[in-house]
Amino acid sequence: GNSVTQMEGPVTLSEEAFLTINCTYTATGYPSLFWYVQYPGEGLQLLLKATKADDKGSNKGFEATYRKETTSFHLEKGSVQVSDSAVYFCAPLERAGSYQLTFGKGTKLSVIP
Amino acid sequence: EPEVTQTPSHQVTQMGQEVILRCVPISNHLYFYWYRQILGQKVEFLVSFYNNEISEKSEIFDDQFSVERPDGSNFTLKIRSTKLEDSAMYFCASSSTGTSTDTQYFGPGTRLTVL
Repeated sequence: GNSVTQMEGPVTLSEEAFLTINCTYTATGYPSLFWYVQYPGEGLQLLLKATKADDKGSNKGFEATYRKETTSFHLEKGSVQVSDSAVYFCAPLERAGSYQLTFGKGTKLSVIP
Repeated sequence: EPEVTQTPSHQVTQMGQEVILRCVPISNHLYFYWYRQILGQKVEFLVSFYNNEISEKSEIFDDQFSVERPDGSNFTLKIRSTKLEDSAMYFCASSSTGTSTDTQYFGPGTRLTVL
């Protein structure tokens, strides 16, 4: 089956630092790609998505570009805030009967003042 | 903004007991899903549901599991005889078109603890 590799956490950054969370995947074809975020004590929230090669998804200052050649979808933010502290999940949407998300292990981000 | 809701937020049960986890998907969505996350592990797909039948299920979704849409708003996951290893966070999700670019929206989850 398909798989997702995310950089191991936890990641600890100071406020206003630059963030990169790497994500690579294996898939048949070119799936839509998603980043979800899980804030402490909450469920999974869509952060951003990209549906085709070279698309850039963006939301709340976060960005990720669909790189077909490297099968990657790295998440970046130029200046993190304490409120960005959460677990981030990369997930391609693959078809196996129906469309289903295959999640990475998640990367925990802690931002300190 | 419409959202997926789930009840209860936390369920504690004894091994061998039946549990029903409830979800109310976004009202105009047609595709429904259950995922689970065992503590410290990945979020895993369990089952997808459309037009009152299962579209796809994973190896995890064995005969102990069932899903139902008993009315026009609820979507339930039943575990017939719970095992210790069923302890996990269970997430319900829904989407509108079920296509290759569709977004699945998740509920806040139900934490199931089996003693």
